[in-house]
Amino acid sequence: AQSVTQLDSQVPVFEEAPVELRCNYSSSVSVYLFWYVQYPNQGLQLLLKYLSGSTLVKGINGFEAEFNKSQTSFHLRKPSVHISDTAEYFCAVSRNTGNQFYFGTGTSLTVIP
Amino acid sequence: EAGVAQSPRYKIIEKRQSVAFWCNPISGHATLYWYQQILGQGPKLLIQFQNNGVVDDSQLPKDRFSAERLKGVDSTLKIQPAKLEDSAVYLCASSTGLAGGTDTQYFGPGTRLTVL
Repeated sequence: AQSVTQLDSQVPVFEEAPVELRCNYSSSVSVYLFWYVQYPNQGLQLLLKYLSGSTLVKGINGFEAEFNKSQTSFHLRKPSVHISDTAEYFCAVSRNTGNQFYFGTGTSLTVIP
Repeated sequence: EAGVAQSPRYKIIEKRQSVAFWCNPISGHATLYWYQQILGQGPKLLIQFQNNGVVDDSQLPKDRFSAERLKGVDSTLKIQPAKLEDSAVYLCASSTGLAGGTDTQYFGPGTRLTVL
């Protein structure tokens, strides 16, 4: 079975500061990893995904994430956040067979002016 | 290209009433998903269609929830009768269905259901 843990439910950060949103997963099989963002009153939007190859994945809006197999982590980072990054961020995992997604509980990022 | 459309955006009903949600996926997308997102939680998959066939409905409460995807395009999700714990945002998503677990899912804006 798969599970996704997002340890931080809320992360406040000042504008232009760096941020890291943590995601850990557990799985007995190979998985694919995703980060989605949900702006207020909108649906989820893909930020980036790791399928294979380079462990550092770059996504939209200046975000990047690093896959660490030994630590079963896929943390999301941005070197300098903007007010517009205020949103809910979800980590998700899917198996290499079928395409059912398992989402974490989300991390609410609030960027403070 | 047009995104995933859902209606209504908001719905308020009393418990034991019935309700239906509609989803129109991105044109050409074979796979359609319905998720339930309870406040403070991540989305939970309720049902997944591949064209008009059900791939996974293991987490669908079948005593009260039903879904169909006639003709492999639009889909409706129904709750009958509704319970207080059904209050949530119901998200529809679609994907091409060509890449298995690597598929990007495209989400609609969701329907916020409040059961009183």
